[in-house]
Amino acid sequence: DIQMTQSPSAMSASVGDRVTITCRASQGISNYLAWFQQKPGKAPKRLIYATSGLQTGVPSRFSGSGSGTEFTLTISSLQPEDFATYYCLQHKSYPWTFGQGTKVEIK
Amino acid sequence: EVQFLESGGDLVQPGGSLRLSCAASGFTFRNYGMNWVRQAPGKGLEWVSSISASDDNTYYVDSVKGRFTISRDNSKNTLFLQMDSLRAEDTAVYYCAKGILRFCSGTSCLDTFDIWGQGTMVTVSS
Repeated sequence: DIQMTQSPSAMSASVGDRVTITCRASQGISNYLAWFQQKPGKAPKRLIYATSGLQTGVPSRFSGSGSGTEFTLTISSLQPEDFATYYCLQHKSYPWTFGQGTKVEIK
Repeated sequence: EVQFLESGGDLVQPGGSLRLSCAASGFTFRNYGMNWVRQAPGKGLEWVSSISASDDNTYYVDSVKGRFTISRDNSKNTLFLQMDSLRAEDTAVYYCAKGILRFCSGTSCLDTFDIWGQGTMVTVSS
């Protein structure tokens, strides 16, 4: 099975900060990597697909990069509505696996 | 508008059964694979199962193999998850999510999990 190691597990940041979240795969997954945002009591929302494809309607301050085994989600300037938990997902091979999540809190 | 409406979640005793449903609308359901993902209280997301558009390929996380069965009725635009021999550790919110386009090519084969249902709660407890 492919393990997805996401870091950090939690972070405190201020509005306007640049935020970077990393997911490392235990083996190569090509571009089969997506990022999701989840707020309490709500379903996850896809932000990024195919490593760097921006979901329609998602602000351009969100971006994804990487390839192979190391992937990054970047929020260029954190906004109040971005405080949430973020997950990566590999769908290269079954069982598909999520990262453990990164909770972004207000500093 | 593409949307899903899940139902079937309930409180059930260990060893019991439940059948979850996910009614789809706003897209050509029969052309897409579908997925189930769950989230235990206070925990992260866990992929549970997937089914191909044509219903001929199914996949499961090891912890539910032999106990859960994913299926679909393309005539009714509905996805199902039959859950048997339920355990306390199956307690979670269960989400359905849109999968990959049948006969995809290129980037479209990476375009999945774009739409999620609102979730349905399954509680396994005596």
